[in-house]
Amino acid sequence: EAGVAQSPRYKIIEKRQSVAFWCNPISGHATLYWYQQILGQGPKLLIQFQNNGVVDDSQLPKDRFSAERLKGVDSTLKIQPAKLEDSAVYLCASSPRGDNGYTFGSGTRLTVV
Amino acid sequence: RKEVEQDPGPFNVPEGATVAFNCTYSNSASQSFFWYRQDCRKEPKLLMSVYSSGNEDGRFTAQLNRASQYISLLIRDSKLSDSATYLCVVFTSGTYKYIFGTGTRLKVLA
Repeated sequence: EAGVAQSPRYKIIEKRQSVAFWCNPISGHATLYWYQQILGQGPKLLIQFQNNGVVDDSQLPKDRFSAERLKGVDSTLKIQPAKLEDSAVYLCASSPRGDNGYTFGSGTRLTVV
Repeated sequence: RKEVEQDPGPFNVPEGATVAFNCTYSNSASQSFFWYRQDCRKEPKLLMSVYSSGNEDGRFTAQLNRASQYISLLIRDSKLSDSATYLCVVFTSGTYKYIFGTGTRLKVLA
């Protein structure tokens, strides 16, 4: 079974620039999550999709972050404009349904300078 | 109070030692519990689920105490390769929401 694919692996941008991350979940997985993990902290949920609908985006800074999941498969997360404090690893995860845990992608490491 | 709390450590233990981590959660409606392992600069990976009756996988034992709202992870006969951060994850149904603790860092020393 192919895992969760994410790209790019690394990205360095200047503050106020825009950036987009892409995630392709495991085939058939209905639920997709984007997490932000700052160095030394646990992952923080940004947004959760069930198919192509948003279940929870309460911790997404909507003034600068946006995400979409077209056709209930791939997803993109965008930051516009980026701030220094956005430097983190952005992890995508997917699960089939329910409470069986989920699988993470390898993440995108963003550095904002 | 945080929804899921862990002691960040680090726990420095010699090879062969037994070490235990606890994780407390605040939502009594939480239904499922997991331990994830995260190596440096890698994504978290599922280590084991935590069942009400407790469960064991080789040198690893997970326990759930619903009355006191905590879960634990016990590692016996620690290996150097066990060095990692161990993340506690709590799932609440209805929202299909997984909440992570900040992780406990373990360093097994030769």
